[in-house]
Amino acid sequence: GESVGLHLPTLSVQEGDNSIINCAYSNSASDYFIWYKQESGKGPQFIIDIRSNMDKRQGQRVTVLLNKTVKHLSLQIAATQPGDSAVYFCAENQAPGANSKLTFGKGITLSVRP
Amino acid sequence: DTEVTQTPKHLVMGMTNKKSLKCEQHMGHRAMYWYKQKAKKPPELMFVYSYEKLSINESVPSRFSPECPNSSLLNLHLHALQPEDSALYLCASSQGLAGGRIEQYFGPGTRLTVT
Repeated sequence: GESVGLHLPTLSVQEGDNSIINCAYSNSASDYFIWYKQESGKGPQFIIDIRSNMDKRQGQRVTVLLNKTVKHLSLQIAATQPGDSAVYFCAENQAPGANSKLTFGKGITLSVRP
Repeated sequence: DTEVTQTPKHLVMGMTNKKSLKCEQHMGHRAMYWYKQKAKKPPELMFVYSYEKLSINESVPSRFSPECPNSSLLNLHLHALQPEDSALYLCASSQGLAGGRIEQYFGPGTRLTVT
């Protein structure tokens, strides 16, 4: 998702529904991707990662999908809970090798309705 | 244990002050990072240390001076900052910089206000 000005795009979901958060990445040479969750007043929290030689990886209640053809990454959260409300960032390693570093996407706010 | 600690949690400083931010991890990680995050924006990389040596400086102004005294500690020395430097400063660490060891774990950040 792309942000406009100072307003992050927001995804609003009903508690108990599944959430899908999308991210378009920029560099076809990126070899590693991470999803982070950031709650208000806290640092980013690691959720799940995936390497470019995979197209799907599952964790507890979360699944990351990677489509290298269209440079698209998504995070699926099953049975979304109020505690999932946060800003979600995707990040890519654009410089594989000894000087690798993460570049973050612009972030999407997930709001869970009770 | 995936904890990165940062002190102080909040800092207010004037433009002529000198202060330092501190970061510590005891996970045996050999890469440590400083990021700056403005409100409603993603974290922006400032510095990367690998095995206690500065590996990346993302063209950060010299009023920010990083230091890595040992493999567990990372400092950010601040001097003559500007009001626009007010932000959340995040520290992170990872096992290394390459291969299968690059997931980064973040501290809670220091909320800096420059007056």
